[in-house]
Amino acid sequence: AQKVTQAQTEISVVEKEDVTLDCVYETRDTTYYLFWYKQPPSGELVFLIRRNSFDEQNEISGRYSWNFQKSTSSFNFTITASQVVDSAVYFCALSGGNFGNEKLTFGTGTRLTIIP
Amino acid sequence: EAQVTQNPRYLITVTGKKLTVTCSQNMNHEYMSWYRQDPGLGLRQIYYSMNVEVTDKGDVPEGYKVSRKEKRNFPLILESPSPNQTSLYFCASSFSATSPYEQYFGPGTRLTVT
Repeated sequence: AQKVTQAQTEISVVEKEDVTLDCVYETRDTTYYLFWYKQPPSGELVFLIRRNSFDEQNEISGRYSWNFQKSTSSFNFTITASQVVDSAVYFCALSGGNFGNEKLTFGTGTRLTIIP
Repeated sequence: EAQVTQNPRYLITVTGKKLTVTCSQNMNHEYMSWYRQDPGLGLRQIYYSMNVEVTDKGDVPEGYKVSRKEKRNFPLILESPSPNQTSLYFCASSFSATSPYEQYFGPGTRLTVT
């Protein structure tokens, strides 16, 4: 069975601080995909990144960066110089091993609050 | 504009009154899916569809039905809603059923069953 754990339920930081959201996953598949989604207060789900299990290179996109470590089954997300607009719930998700059903197994989310 | 639409966005209903939440995508995607989001539980899959006339259960299918008569539409049917189905529902679609491409999510439907 697949599982995604986001141990941090809520995080608050002051604007311009860096913040890291943790994601630990469990799967027996050798091929799998990891995702991060952002859910702002308006409620929609915004896709941030997809990473496959064969690509362990870290990725940076502006103020966002992701650290994928297969050895520790983690896919952490860092926001540098946080801004108020980053306030949202962030979900880590896992897919793979369900041929024909690209079900996303979601973590329970981390609510990030950026204090001005 | 490529998008997934859901209707209604908000719905308050009473126990036992059948309802349908519609989902439509304009990207010619093969794969569509329904999730429900509950506090502390994240999102869980209800049903999915690999293509027209092909549907199957996800993790929490009890109390729900779906159909896929056309590629673009994937309605979620609650024959006899109960209060434990009060939740935020998301429809999602993806290009292919055989590879986990990015899933596009609809805006969500907030359902309250009293």
